[in-house]
Amino acid sequence: EPEVTQTPSHQVTQMGQEVILRCVPISNHLYFYWYRQILGQKVEFLVSFYNNEISEKSEIFDDQFSVERPDGSNFTLKIRSTKLEDSAMYFCARIIRGEQFFGPGTRLTVL
Amino acid sequence: AQSVSQHNHHVILSEAASLELGCNYSYGGTVNLFWYVQYPGQHLQLLLKYFSGDPLVKGIKGFEAEFIKSKFSFNLRKPSVQWSDTAEYFCAVNARGATNKLIFGTGTLLAVQP
Repeated sequence: EPEVTQTPSHQVTQMGQEVILRCVPISNHLYFYWYRQILGQKVEFLVSFYNNEISEKSEIFDDQFSVERPDGSNFTLKIRSTKLEDSAMYFCARIIRGEQFFGPGTRLTVL
Repeated sequence: AQSVSQHNHHVILSEAASLELGCNYSYGGTVNLFWYVQYPGQHLQLLLKYFSGDPLVKGIKGFEAEFIKSKFSFNLRKPSVQWSDTAEYFCAVNARGATNKLIFGTGTLLAVQP
């Protein structure tokens, strides 16, 4: 099965701090997605990223969020000033022949 | 807007019992349909998918799902569950030919008792 790794597996931060979550594909892919899952709630789409540009974003993905591909391989999701309600699991996914394969997620805890 | 409903939030079964988890979606166009499973402490894994063709699709671990277009449903079934099927199950859709973003249901937590 195609692999996507994410780092860190768990991040604890203080409210107002910036966090960067990383998604590392095994091979080079152009199309990536970020989702989040608040505890006890459903998985929600955040943003899709294609060929170094945002192709679609949800209403959740406000100005506090950004995505980048800083070194041509890793994909990052940055939250500039975290809020308590940003506490969630964040998943990245890559798409192959219409199927999305998810990474193990990063659990973000904002205190 | 697309939406997905999973009616069963928590299901408890004994081993060897049959399973059916409901999933209904709301969308005016053609969709692709998916069931994902999340075992405790693990990431989302694809169980099965429907893109086109035979509306009865078979996935891994003995699961199957039937797409009924007239009912906007894509229910997941397994004739005989095992303790190892204990997990959370998510139905998801995306709009064919458009964005590939997945819209998920709220999930069903299945607990299988030995």
